[in-house]
Amino acid sequence: DVKVTQSSRYLVKRTGEKVFLECVQDMDHENMFWYRQDPGLGLRLIYFSYDVKMKEKGDIPEGYSVSREKKERFSLILESASTNQTSMYLCASSSVRTDQPYGYTFGSGTRLTVV
Amino acid sequence: EDQVTQSPEALRLQEGESSSLNCSYTVSGLRGLFWYRQDPGKGPEFLFTLYSAGEEKEKERLKATLTKKESFLHITAPKPEDSATYLCAVQADDYKLSFGAGTTVTVRA
Repeated sequence: DVKVTQSSRYLVKRTGEKVFLECVQDMDHENMFWYRQDPGLGLRLIYFSYDVKMKEKGDIPEGYSVSREKKERFSLILESASTNQTSMYLCASSSVRTDQPYGYTFGSGTRLTVV
Repeated sequence: EDQVTQSPEALRLQEGESSSLNCSYTVSGLRGLFWYRQDPGKGPEFLFTLYSAGEEKEKERLKATLTKKESFLHITAPKPEDSATYLCAVQADDYKLSFGAGTTVTVRA
């Protein structure tokens, strides 16, 4: 069974800490994405990557950075965590192959609380 | 800019009471429209992909339809296990998905 695995289900961090959220996929997908999900706002794209060492800003990149050193791994970094970054973070991957019509495959999410 | 609007925000149904969820969209160059189901505390799970107006897909009690401006997710004779948030997303030429805010469905026994 193909999977996107996020390293933590729940995290509690202090304001000002540097936070790393890790995501690994085993489907050899080219594309990887980081979203945050907040009530009433839906899923908002933070960053995405179409290839190793490649990254592009999404709709809300401020306060975040990413790293993709290997095809299967995409990391989201909160440089200095703030309380307004408390949210559910979802990682997803997808293939550029047109015979895979699933859109994205999502991880289970990381619930981050910044105190 | 791609826009996806889902309605209603929340839907409370009695078991067996059929209903429909709406997803209206504005996108240039639609590659596909996707429906996902999300249970509390979990990531979204894929349900359907629709590619062109007039297309329909079915899975158990769910049926998705597509027109040029909107999609409907019909739930026929729902059961409590159909309670979830249903997300609609559109994909344009750049492979990114734009999501609606979702409709939270609660089915009471």
